[in-house]
Amino acid sequence: KNQVEQSPQSLIILEGKNCTLQCNYTVSPFSNLRWYKQDTGRGPVSLTIMTFSENTKSNGRYTATLDADTKQSSLHITASQLSDSASYICVVSANDYKLSFGAGTTVTVRA
Amino acid sequence: DTEVTQTPKHLVMGMTNKKSLKCEQHMGHRAMYWYKQKAKKPPELMFVYSYEKLSINESVPSRFSPECPNSSLLNLHLHALQPEDSALYLCASTGQSYEQYFGPGTRLTVT
Repeated sequence: KNQVEQSPQSLIILEGKNCTLQCNYTVSPFSNLRWYKQDTGRGPVSLTIMTFSENTKSNGRYTATLDADTKQSSLHITASQLSDSASYICVVSANDYKLSFGAGTTVTVRA
Repeated sequence: DTEVTQTPKHLVMGMTNKKSLKCEQHMGHRAMYWYKQKAKKPPELMFVYSYEKLSINESVPSRFSPECPNSSLLNLHLHALQPEDSALYLCASTGQSYEQYFGPGTRLTVT
């Protein structure tokens, strides 16, 4: 069964600090891995998308890494801001249509 | 324009009502999706349309009826819903880059 597991389930960090979120997956075959940011009650917004051959991708203060051999990915948030408070979802695609979603990590940034 | 729009933003309906959710994208994407998301859970795939034809139905109850009138529009017709159907309904579309763009969602409450 295709699975995507994220850790931690939630975390609280102080404004200006860095944090790293983890994603492990067993999806096969592998097409791409995406990280989304979702504010409460809103649709997910794409942060990064990586294919098999990519091992790092950045989007502003967000940097995602991918190790396709160990089937692990991480999302690093640098110099966190209050607006970074959201749920971060790791999504793995085996083909174009069906995506496997992680349960998400809820990040709370406090002043 | 990298936007997926959804209307209405909020909908409250009784169990005997008939209502419709609408989704629109003008990115030329040929795959469009409906997801259902309960609080603190990842989105669950309901339907996928590819080139305006239904390609995936994830065993969704018949009280949910999707429709794709053209390549830019996707509807979800609702009839005789149950209170447990209350959720955030997300529309998404995918283009050549495999990146999936989500709409802001419709918050549905069934009374």
